Amino acid sequence: DSGVTQTPKHLITATGQRVTLRCSPRSGDLSVYWYQQSLDQGLQFLIHYYNGEERAKGNILERFSAQQFPDLHSELNLSSLELGDSALYFCASSRAGGGYNEQFFGPGTRLTVL
Amino acid sequence: QQQVKQSPQSLIVQKGGISIINCAYENTAFDYFPWYQQFPGKGPALLIAIRPDVSEKKEGRFTISFNKSAKQFSLHIMDSQPGDSATYFCAASVAYSGAGSYQLTFGKGTKLSVIP
Repeated sequence: DSGVTQTPKHLITATGQRVTLRCSPRSGDLSVYWYQQSLDQGLQFLIHYYNGEERAKGNILERFSAQQFPDLHSELNLSSLELGDSALYFCASSRAGGGYNEQFFGPGTRLTVL
Repeated sequence: QQQVKQSPQSLIVQKGGISIINCAYENTAFDYFPWYQQFPGKGPALLIAIRPDVSEKKEGRFTISFNKSAKQFSLHIMDSQPGDSATYFCAASVAYSGAGSYQLTFGKGTKLSVIP
C-alpha cells in the first residue's frame, strides 16, 4: 500500500458525460501528479500540482482539468467524454517539488466510456 | 515523439534465469532514471532508481546498468522468480527544473513472465 488513495476504483459512463476522479496524497506529500495509462499510449503525464499551484502540464486535453485543494487532495475533471478517454488514471504523490523524490502511485481509477 | 524507448515489449524467462530489459532516452536533460514494477490491478511501484553519476546500482537481485554516453540504461533481474512476473517500466525525469516540475516520462513497458 503506497499510502495514496484514489476514488472511485471503477467508473463507467457514457460519451458526452463529465466525471471527477479524486486523489488523496500520502500524508505530508505536497506534490500530486496525474498520469493516464492506456494500451496504445502507455503511461503519460497529464498535470502536476504542488501545494495547490499548477506546476506543469503534459499531454492533457482541453476537456480535462484538475485542481489541488488546501487539504492537498486533488481532483481530475474529465468532460465531454469520448470513447478514447477510456483508460486507467493514476495519481502519484511525492514529498516535495522535485529533486530525486520518489513518486508514490495510487491504485488508479479505471474509466470506461461507453 | 517518444522520449524513452523500451524493449522488449514482452519477455519470457525460465525460473532462475536472468531477465534483461533495455531503455534508451533522447533528452540529455534527464538525470534521474527509475524503474517501476506494476502488477495487474495495481499502480506502479518504484523498484530501483539510478542517477547518472554512477554506472551501476544493485539492490538485491535487481541491477541497473547506465551508459551515459550511449544514453541507455537497463534492468537486470538475476535469479528470476515467478513472483517477478509483472510489467516493468523504465522512466526518466529531470532532477532540478526551473519550472519546479519533475514529471516522469515512461517507456512503453515490458511484460515479464517467469515460468517455473
